[in-house]
Amino acid sequence: GQQLNQSPQSMFIQEGEDVSMNCTSSSIFNTWLWYKQDPGEGPVLLIALYKAGELTSNGRLTAQFGITRKDSFLNISASIPCDVGIYFCAGRDTGTASKLTFGTGTRLQVTL
Amino acid sequence: GAVVSQHPSWVICKSGTSVKIECRSLDFQATTMFWYRQFPKQSLMLMATSNEGSKATYEQGVEKDKFLINHASLTLSTLTVTSAHPEDSSFYICSARVGQRREQYFGPGTRLTVT
Repeated sequence: GQQLNQSPQSMFIQEGEDVSMNCTSSSIFNTWLWYKQDPGEGPVLLIALYKAGELTSNGRLTAQFGITRKDSFLNISASIPCDVGIYFCAGRDTGTASKLTFGTGTRLQVTL
Repeated sequence: GAVVSQHPSWVICKSGTSVKIECRSLDFQATTMFWYRQFPKQSLMLMATSNEGSKATYEQGVEKDKFLINHASLTLSTLTVTSAHPEDSSFYICSARVGQRREQYFGPGTRLTVT
């Protein structure tokens, strides 16, 4: 099946640094979602975006729905050790029975 | 709210046997649930969409006779891996669609190991 491209694939950062990651698609989506997955667990929804250009925050996390509707960005400010995990973007097209297409994932590791 | 549980959290079975995984919505009703499979260091791949009271819709390449899905109530969907083989070993995760905006909330996953 189709997957969305996420970059970077992985990143090592120091505690306190800001983090940016993005997700791109060849298709247009009407909804963009960002999830975080810890090892051995299911993904947890972080932020949902419903409108092109929308900028939404959830604590230290900020995500944007790209104007072209083919991309999205997630920023994490002042990273902490608990931010470690894999971040997945997911796009949803209302024409596909609400199915999600997931990104390839960005693995984040935070060093003290 | 929007809590999804799975049982078991992990299972080891012998090749050729069948394994049933349950997915429950604990505090809401879900007419639609989804089953995903995730191999190590890979993303989630949708296997099928489970609809309460009707047949599941399988993604291309997923064998419906091997991965049996039953969504008999508004809070329970089950995935049965029949005649399991080692290559079926994976992390199986379900999700349920919630609310007016139909967001998907995920269960904690079930790790299946076939020996």
